[in-house]
Amino acid sequence: DFQMTQSPSSLSASVGDRVTITCRASQGISNYLAWYQQKPGRVPKLLIYAASTLQSGVPSRFAGSGSGTEFTLTISGLQPEDVASYYCQKYNSAPYTFGGGTKVEIK
Amino acid sequence: QLQLQESGSGLVKPSQTLSLTCAVSGGSISSGGYSWSWIRQPPGKGLEWIGYIYHSGSTYYNPSLKSRVTISVDRSKNQFSLKLSSVTAADTAVYYCARVSSHQQLAFDYWGQGTLVTVSS
Repeated sequence: DFQMTQSPSSLSASVGDRVTITCRASQGISNYLAWYQQKPGRVPKLLIYAASTLQSGVPSRFAGSGSGTEFTLTISGLQPEDVASYYCQKYNSAPYTFGGGTKVEIK
Repeated sequence: QLQLQESGSGLVKPSQTLSLTCAVSGGSISSGGYSWSWIRQPPGKGLEWIGYIYHSGSTYYNPSLKSRVTISVDRSKNQFSLKLSSVTAADTAVYYCARVSSHQQLAFDYWGQGTLVTVSS
């Protein structure tokens, strides 16, 4: 079975901190990776696609990188409104598997 | 502005079939470059991709659900649907519909608000 493994599963950081979330694919997926943000009680929102392309309207403090099997989402300067769960998703081919999610909280 | 709205039964009995519809407004479901997908999220858990239907009509399903899932499109009503048969309590979740955009390299750029489906007798 194809696996998308995210780490950590949760983190707590201070406002202004740099936060990094990692997503690892069990097989190479080139750059067919997206990151989604889901605030508590809200609908998931597309942040990044093609591993590093910021969706329109997303603040520039969010950045994605990686290719193949290793990917990262970085928040440069964590803000209170960034409290959310973050999910990676691969979509090079079916199944379009999501990672298990990373819950980001403010310390 | 594109909007997606899920509708259907919020309570389904075990062994029965879950049926949901996603109505698309603000755009045509037949527009080139777009496909349509269903995702679910059990209470307090992560996202699970269910399947999607290409603009061509081809369908792709999560292998773990494939034997029970059917996704179809009704272009005359600008909507697409999900049927999940033989449901159990494990199928209790918020069900989302979403647009798959070739302009975002097949990422899911618009989501519905989600609808909670509870499986219980």
